[in-house]
Amino acid sequence: KNEVEQSPQNLTAQEGEFITINCSYSVGISALHWLQQHPGGGIVSLFMLSSGKKKHGRLIATINIQEKHSSLHITASHPRDSAVYICAALDIYDKLIFGTGTRLQVFP
Amino acid sequence: GAGVSQSPSNKVTEKGKDVELRCDPISGHTALYWYRQSLGQGLEFLIYFQGNSAPDKSGLPSDRFSAERTGGSVSTLTIQRTQQEDSAVYLCASSFDSYEQYFGPGTRLTVT
Repeated sequence: KNEVEQSPQNLTAQEGEFITINCSYSVGISALHWLQQHPGGGIVSLFMLSSGKKKHGRLIATINIQEKHSSLHITASHPRDSAVYICAALDIYDKLIFGTGTRLQVFP
Repeated sequence: GAGVSQSPSNKVTEKGKDVELRCDPISGHTALYWYRQSLGQGLEFLIYFQGNSAPDKSGLPSDRFSAERTGGSVSTLTIQRTQQEDSAVYLCASSFDSYEQYFGPGTRLTVT
């Protein structure tokens, strides 16, 4: 069993839909990252959070430390949101443990 | 300001040859990380530097892999006697202490 699990693995949506990607982890963490990887391969850090909720534009990330669960939400999805979204737990040794990613395709 | 840069962007090498991959972190970032993403696979941690020292080398897949960081800045990842299974995108990231990591564009290594 992976220490960081994401669901779903693949997700398709129509433009405008509300999207949720889930991440569960089993290790002790100091923080959790949500990363976005576009088809060209570049990786962008979307959020780093250790408690509560963060919002940036149409993206919202939440974390529940007690339940060891985080969610990434995209409101009013757009085709340009199509990418792989990766959850990564920063363990207590400052090492990132990655989930397997969620491939999102948003169709017009 | 400049982000994390990596060179070369692409490297094709013959099996058995040594390769060096370079990472220039964001100026002032104390921590530097190397990751690998094999084709169709997830991201894999390789090694982490805090300053010039590497407290965690646990992710290096074999003793053919080594990395160093000098002057608390540039890092090189060296793969000796490359094998076809070493083909992957090698990503570098840097951060200030344990804050948010910023990723470089990666080096795509192909071993023929």
